[in-house]
Amino acid sequence: DIQVTQSPASLSASVGDRVIITCQATQDIANRLNWYQQKPGKAPTLLIYDASNLEIGVPLRFSGSGSGTDFTFTITRLEPEDFATYYCQQYDDLLLSFGGGTKVDMK
Amino acid sequence: QVQLQESGPGLVKPSETLSLTCTVSGGSTRTFSWSWIRQPPGKTLEWIGYFSYSGTTNYNPSLKSRVTISLDTSKNQFSLRLNSVTAADTAVYFCARHPTGVAGMDVWGQGTTVAVTS
Repeated sequence: DIQVTQSPASLSASVGDRVIITCQATQDIANRLNWYQQKPGKAPTLLIYDASNLEIGVPLRFSGSGSGTDFTFTITRLEPEDFATYYCQQYDDLLLSFGGGTKVDMK
Repeated sequence: QVQLQESGPGLVKPSETLSLTCTVSGGSTRTFSWSWIRQPPGKTLEWIGYFSYSGTTNYNPSLKSRVTISLDTSKNQFSLRLNSVTAADTAVYFCARHPTGVAGMDVWGQGTTVAVTS
């Protein structure tokens, strides 16, 4: 089974900061990776699909890149509503799995 | 606008079967794939399985022996059954839609909490 490892597990940042989260797969998954945001008590929302495609309605400050085994998720300028937990999710070989999550909180 | 709503018992006894239903409104279940995902308290998300647009199912290998996911297009619902539950199955359970194949999940239910307790 393919596993995805996210890092860091948590980070503290300020409004306006650039935030970078990485996700590493245990084997080549091409671009089959998605990114979600989850706020406490809520369902996740899809931000980026297929590694680098912005979901409709998602602000342009969010972006994703990478292919193969190494992926990056970036928030260019953190806004107050961006404090949340972020998850990567792979879907290679018709099986899905999530990373451990990255909690972004206020410095 | 498609909306999903999970329903089912909030309490299940150990060794019994957990049964949840996801009702789809504002769209059809026929042309998409549908997943169940869960999240134990304070932990990450865990994919349970999906019912695909082609009529096939696929399950998380760690749960495969205990899980069944089915689709009822006449009721616009899909369901989850998880047998022989233990306290480790206590979680918030979400249903979600895959707009394309089994790629990203773009619509989610609000989630329903299930506690396994005697």
